[in-house]
Amino acid sequence: GNSVTQMEGPVTLSEEAFLTINCTYTATGYPSLFWYVQYPGEGLQLLLKATKADDKGSNKGFEATYRKETTSFHLEKGSVQVSDSAVYFCALSDRSSGTYKYIFGTGTRLKVLA
Amino acid sequence: DAMVIQNPRYQVTQFGKPVTLSCSQTLNHNVMYWYQQKSSQAPKLLFHYYDKDFNNEADTPDNFQSRRPNTSFCFLDIRSPGLGDAAMYLCATSREKETQYFGPGTRLLVL
Repeated sequence: GNSVTQMEGPVTLSEEAFLTINCTYTATGYPSLFWYVQYPGEGLQLLLKATKADDKGSNKGFEATYRKETTSFHLEKGSVQVSDSAVYFCALSDRSSGTYKYIFGTGTRLKVLA
Repeated sequence: DAMVIQNPRYQVTQFGKPVTLSCSQTLNHNVMYWYQQKSSQAPKLLFHYYDKDFNNEADTPDNFQSRRPNTSFCFLDIRSPGLGDAAMYLCATSREKETQYFGPGTRLLVL
């Protein structure tokens, strides 16, 4: 079955540090991949997405590349800010499977210190 | 701006007292979802509507029901809330099986 594995948190960084949050997936079909961000007390906001191999999603300085050969979709940002402190969820959607269900990773909490 | 709206943002209810959470959308999406999220865990899908067709997840308790009177609105009814039902409830929408867009959530407290 489909699954998503995210690196354990919390991740604590100083402002302007480089961020990587690892995400790997298992899928039987051809999934779309997503990163969502959740700020305290809020819903999930779509951060970026990629729908096919080698696509790069980017938004607000965050990037992730859909790597089929390594089944990965790692989230990166070159210089984090305190305002990036949040929980980040990696997710996949396998449209060919006939289901509407997202498969979420467990989430990674990021804390950025000034 | 097109969006997903959830009301109320915070809801307090008593043990066993029915409660209804609401979701509306201006995106004109045909699919609407309800998720339960506890303590920054990943959201857990309860059910979804594809147009008017209701699709329940196998492990969703019978205590949870839903209504979708029209394209724009969807309701989550909890018939007899227990302490374990205290959580954040998230509504999401999508066009077909495409990207899901989430509302801000309703935090439910059960006393």
